[in-house]
Amino acid sequence: DSGVTQTPKHLITATGQRVTLRCSPRSGDLSVYWYQQSLDQGLQFLIQYYNGEERAKGNILERFSAQQFPDLHSELNLSSLELGDSALYFCASSVARTGENTEAFFGQGTRLTVV
Amino acid sequence: AQKVTQAQTEISVVEKEDVTLDCVYETRDTTYYLFWYKQPPSGELVFLIRRNSFDEQNEISGRYSWNFQKSTSSFNFTITASQVVDSAVYFCALTTFGNEKLTFGTGTRLTIIP
Repeated sequence: DSGVTQTPKHLITATGQRVTLRCSPRSGDLSVYWYQQSLDQGLQFLIQYYNGEERAKGNILERFSAQQFPDLHSELNLSSLELGDSALYFCASSVARTGENTEAFFGQGTRLTVV
Repeated sequence: AQKVTQAQTEISVVEKEDVTLDCVYETRDTTYYLFWYKQPPSGELVFLIRRNSFDEQNEISGRYSWNFQKSTSSFNFTITASQVVDSAVYFCALTTFGNEKLTFGTGTRLTIIP
């Protein structure tokens, strides 16, 4: 158990809908990351938050957004869903502070299926 | 830009054999960090090791060992006396100093045949 909790584990929704994925980082970790794993794109970095502020952005679509709350949990919002958004979405957390690159611990992922 | 290449897409070995998973990386940064993660059939990503670019010492942890060679930009992973529980997809990844985003390779699917 990595200590990172993601809910829900599975999500099935229709095209055009909006969903919210939730992540609770490990106790004490200030950084939260979101990754998408799909068959064609592999593991892709989406976005990082550090202590409530956006720190880095990757290949995240404009239809997707995220935030990190004062209690450090994070949510990834996916809207106007398309079939191609079907993927495994991972949240990870780390203690990394400025200038440090520590290991990230991953949650079990949310498997999103868009039908 | 960073890049991680795992040329071996799939490997199958018989239980108790040794197996080496290859990882080649590219970066222009002089300070970087290399990682290996395991993704078992259950789907989660499990952290295995982190190595800093300024530390070329090889590391051994039980049946696992890692060989880091800056001269060839490689960070290979060897499992000794493989077991069925080692069956998984293994990812090599890279971050650079001040940028914590992981750049992953495409993964190697390892199957241990009992």
